[in-house]
Amino acid sequence: GAGVSQSPRYKVAKRGQDVALRCDPISGHVSLFWYQQALGQGPEFLTYFQNEAQLDKSGLPSDRFFAERPEGSVSTLKIQRTQQEDSAVYLCASSLYGETGELFFGEGSRLTVL
Amino acid sequence: DQQVKQNSPSLSVQEGRISILNCDYTNSMFDYFLWYKKYPAEGPTFLISISSIKDKNEDGRFTVFLNKSAKHLSLHIVPSQPGDSAVYFCAARVLTTRIGGSEKLVFGKGTKLTVNP
Repeated sequence: GAGVSQSPRYKVAKRGQDVALRCDPISGHVSLFWYQQALGQGPEFLTYFQNEAQLDKSGLPSDRFFAERPEGSVSTLKIQRTQQEDSAVYLCASSLYGETGELFFGEGSRLTVL
Repeated sequence: DQQVKQNSPSLSVQEGRISILNCDYTNSMFDYFLWYKKYPAEGPTFLISISSIKDKNEDGRFTVFLNKSAKHLSLHIVPSQPGDSAVYFCAARVLTTRIGGSEKLVFGKGTKLTVNP
């Protein structure tokens, strides 16, 4: 389809495991965002890419979180040594830079850490 | 510090009546305000937006009002339909040009709207 695609949709990890979440943005979208949504909360900003450049990573909760977008399209969010508090839905969104702020979200990857 | 606040966790209205969802913000640097709609197990989908220099934007059944002096915006849905039942998120955009053109949306916690037939 033409929308933002995320995989896996669901991931269960044991505490201490590393996980990788993938995002395929809409073709041609310059901007890519990662958000974390805990149960009952709104999405919280994690990081922002403009093409391959990671311009803002101020929302990453710890150095266990790492994101990349090496060729300016597909992005991966990696979480090392997962903890129970990392359990959340991780949302990826893309947009055309400079527009009205409208983001196109994927369906999210739900991470459960046991 | 919560820069975007939705103080009503839930709202229930009858089909055909008006739904009014409210949002307050604290940051004067926001340049766009947006409303997103979210169904369970899906990502948020864009509904309507308004520039900070406007006070009203209308799109079909949906109208967003912005009161900058009060730092308040609201979404009106008229008439409400059962298919409008979802969680509605208020969001605001901030540009951080000092980081080379970064931008981000700040979201509220959402209001769950239920439209009863």
